[in-house]
Amino acid sequence: SQTIHQWPATLVQPVGSPLSLECTVEGTSNPNLYWYRQAAGRGLQLLFYSVGIGQISSEVPQNLSASRPQDRQFILSSKKLLLSDSGFYLCAWSLVDTDTQYFGPGTRLTVL
Amino acid sequence: SQQGEEDPQALSIQEGENATMNCSYKTSINNLQWYRQNSGRGLVHLILIRSNEREKHSGRLRVTLDTSKKSSSLLITASRAADTASYFCACGRTGGFKTIFGAGTRLFVKA
Repeated sequence: SQTIHQWPATLVQPVGSPLSLECTVEGTSNPNLYWYRQAAGRGLQLLFYSVGIGQISSEVPQNLSASRPQDRQFILSSKKLLLSDSGFYLCAWSLVDTDTQYFGPGTRLTVL
Repeated sequence: SQQGEEDPQALSIQEGENATMNCSYKTSINNLQWYRQNSGRGLVHLILIRSNEREKHSGRLRVTLDTSKKSSSLLITASRAADTASYFCACGRTGGFKTIFGAGTRLFVKA
């Protein structure tokens, strides 16, 4: 069966520090991968999606970037965090050409 | 403009009662999905209804889709305290890239 991992679970970082959040998927090949951000009590904002290694599409201009160095690995990064980067970050995967998404447990990021 | 807007924003019911949540969207879709999110956790997929379907059941869940009104509803029958969570609708187009999630309905089931 498929499993998706995210780490860390929580993170507190100072403004201006770098960020690296990692997501890995097990049990499937060539998944579509997604990064979302969720503000408190709000819906999900799609940040990035990827259909293959090295293929990243950005949905919103922002202080973040994403990379997919391996088929089942998706990394969210920032060189310098802003206060507005605080939120709950969710990674998800789906099979190619399907819409059902499977979410990881999320990372709670607080930028102080 | 945002697709997948849920109504109500919050709902509080007694255990055993039915809970109904609604979702409206603005443009054409291939499917509509409902997800559940427990506090501080990731989303869990509940059910997907395709644009050519009108009703779908899964256990205590019943989903309807009215494409003429661009709306969907999620009914949870005989609710339990464990159903307490936020419920999101998501409007899907094949490939998932433009799946848009609403802001969610927060359901609280009192024991």
